[in-house]
Amino acid sequence: TQLLEQSPQFLSIQEGENLTVYCNSSSVFSSLQWYRQEPGEGPVLLVTVVTGGEVKKLKRLTFQFGDARKDSSLHITAAQPGDTGLYLCAGGKGNMLTFGGGTRLMVKP
Amino acid sequence: ETGVTQSPTHLIKTRGQQVTLRCSSQSGHNTVSWYQQALGQGPQFIFQYYREEENGRGNFPPRFSGLQFPNYSSELNVNALELDDSALYLCASSLQRGLAAPYEQYFGPGTRLTVT
Repeated sequence: TQLLEQSPQFLSIQEGENLTVYCNSSSVFSSLQWYRQEPGEGPVLLVTVVTGGEVKKLKRLTFQFGDARKDSSLHITAAQPGDTGLYLCAGGKGNMLTFGGGTRLMVKP
Repeated sequence: ETGVTQSPTHLIKTRGQQVTLRCSSQSGHNTVSWYQQALGQGPQFIFQYYREEENGRGNFPPRFSGLQFPNYSSELNVNALELDDSALYLCASSLQRGLAAPYEQYFGPGTRLTVT
């Protein structure tokens, strides 16, 4: 059983569309991180959020940490084929990370 | 600055054999964590090493063991391999600065283990 549930598990969209990926938990985390993983590679850290309600932007990507620090969302504006990959959220407690099951995104040209 | 490296990249073993996977942490990092990632799933935490001692363990049996060396590199050993051990094994390094600091990990490319 995953402590962090990501939805949707799979998403296939056309270039230019917007999308949101959700990461939900019943546990409170001290930090929440988002990673992106491409086939044959390890996850690459995109962002860390630590404060409830915090919003961070990374170009076309917007990350939000829930007020209660139990959930997070990733919004991508005007998706591009280069955004294709596996998006993973990970909750931090102390020095440990718990990963969600991932959202596999495919952006078609 | 050198990133996290892992070796080998791919490995094929037979059920019942033993395997050792290696990881060199990023320069300046003092903590190494190992994860198992089955196809289509998120990484599952195996264990973490800090200052050469195990500093936390996930829900994996004792046949999964590890070491961390004085230069902070690490090994993951798996004995009595089973078919379900087939997965991508990821090593991540980080700088532990105290429990209050957000914990960011930097991953290597992984070792793809196939058990037949």
